[in-house]
Amino acid sequence: GQNIDQPTEMTATEGAIVQINCTYQTSGFNGLFWYQQHAGEAPTFLSYNVLDGLEEKGRFSSFLSRSKGYSYLLLKELQMKDSASYLCAFMDSNYQLIWGAGTKLIIKP
Amino acid sequence: GAVVSQHPSRVICKSGTSVKIECRSLDFQATTMFWYRQFPKKSLMLMATSNEGSKATYEQGVEKDKFLINHASLTLSTLTVTSAHPEDSSFYICSARGGQGFTYEQYFGPGTRLTVT
Repeated sequence: GQNIDQPTEMTATEGAIVQINCTYQTSGFNGLFWYQQHAGEAPTFLSYNVLDGLEEKGRFSSFLSRSKGYSYLLLKELQMKDSASYLCAFMDSNYQLIWGAGTKLIIKP
Repeated sequence: GAVVSQHPSRVICKSGTSVKIECRSLDFQATTMFWYRQFPKKSLMLMATSNEGSKATYEQGVEKDKFLINHASLTLSTLTVTSAHPEDSSFYICSARGGQGFTYEQYFGPGTRLTVT
């Protein structure tokens, strides 16, 4: 079967670093996405990993290990505007996105 | 680039009426469009996938006669909620993928908040 899991909620301090983990199980895999979603708004694309390793994009980095079925999103120099839900999703063998429930990130001053 | 618009952003309708939501890819041709539904504090729930010129593929449990999807062109897909009821109240989001330099990334519209009274 297929499943994907990420923590429901995390809290971090402004200026700090936070890592949001995502684990998944699937027989067919075509990459893993991270999206950011502010309350009441649609998701916006953050990253896409299809090969193992770390992809860095400014303050945000995403890591993938296909053998472990594991990814994380790393946010550095946290800002208050980073308070949002972060959704991970993998693309299955049919090129459909299977979504996690999202991790609500709360940033405190 | 890769902008997707959705209209209306908010709509309130009476129970029993129908509501049409439009999703447009503004600067690329979307070979595939997706319709999602999201309940408060929940993740995205895929309702259906539509390819231009063909019938939509609905996910299990989604009534195709209630949620009519039309993907008449490479830049426009519509979702019509027929005979709406209060339990249909939700946040509906479309996404699109395709275009030049095709990737599997989905670009999301801003969403439509439907309230059925």
